[in-house]
Amino acid sequence: DAKTTQPPSMDCAEGRAANLPCNHSTISGNEYVYWYRQIHSQGPQYIIHGLKNNETNEMASLIITEDRKSSTLILPHATLRDTAVYYCIVRSSLNSGGSNYKLTFGKGTLLTVNP
Amino acid sequence: GAVVSQHPSWVICKSGTSVKIECRSLDFQATTMFWYRQFPKQSLMLMATSNEGSKATYEQGVEKDKFLINHASLTLSTLTVTSAHPEDSSFYICSARLLGEDTQYFGPGTRLTVL
Repeated sequence: DAKTTQPPSMDCAEGRAANLPCNHSTISGNEYVYWYRQIHSQGPQYIIHGLKNNETNEMASLIITEDRKSSTLILPHATLRDTAVYYCIVRSSLNSGGSNYKLTFGKGTLLTVNP
Repeated sequence: GAVVSQHPSWVICKSGTSVKIECRSLDFQATTMFWYRQFPKQSLMLMATSNEGSKATYEQGVEKDKFLINHASLTLSTLTVTSAHPEDSSFYICSARLLGEDTQYFGPGTRLTVL
């Protein structure tokens, strides 16, 4: 899996948008960008993933640059419950021909949402 | 949907005893389940990949005779920590991959403390 680089920590005011960046300059053509978050002492929670196009779901939006070397996770209206470590992970797709479905977790970004 | 449970949520045991942790996919079938370990203030580290009906694939450095994994059905995988020692104290988390999908969904984790 390609490596990712994320800032170790970020702060955001409650109610404002949280924009979490991720660099993945060595990503290859068949690798997806996945975002998970982990609230303290809980298992990771899936947020969103994408390949090339921007994606949006009920939790967040994912913006992937045209060259796919970086992406941004956007939480449109952050709440206190969004305080967590956010992980950006790139990995091969199911149809890439490989059997490696592993997720390699880095250190992530600790997002702290302040009142 | 895509709910993964773990049991127990926490366990305390004496050194030298064995502990079994269960991971269940509640509302879907999971051909592949993964076991991770997380030490305090560190990221998740993959221990092994478990495919239903076959032997687990362990990551380098993980002792397969110490961490026994059984994946007997499409909804249940178990991890048994044999002859546990204090250094095995950790947060153990499982994940499950939906049949036909790439996304992994994580359980809430099991906190193991070995005295």
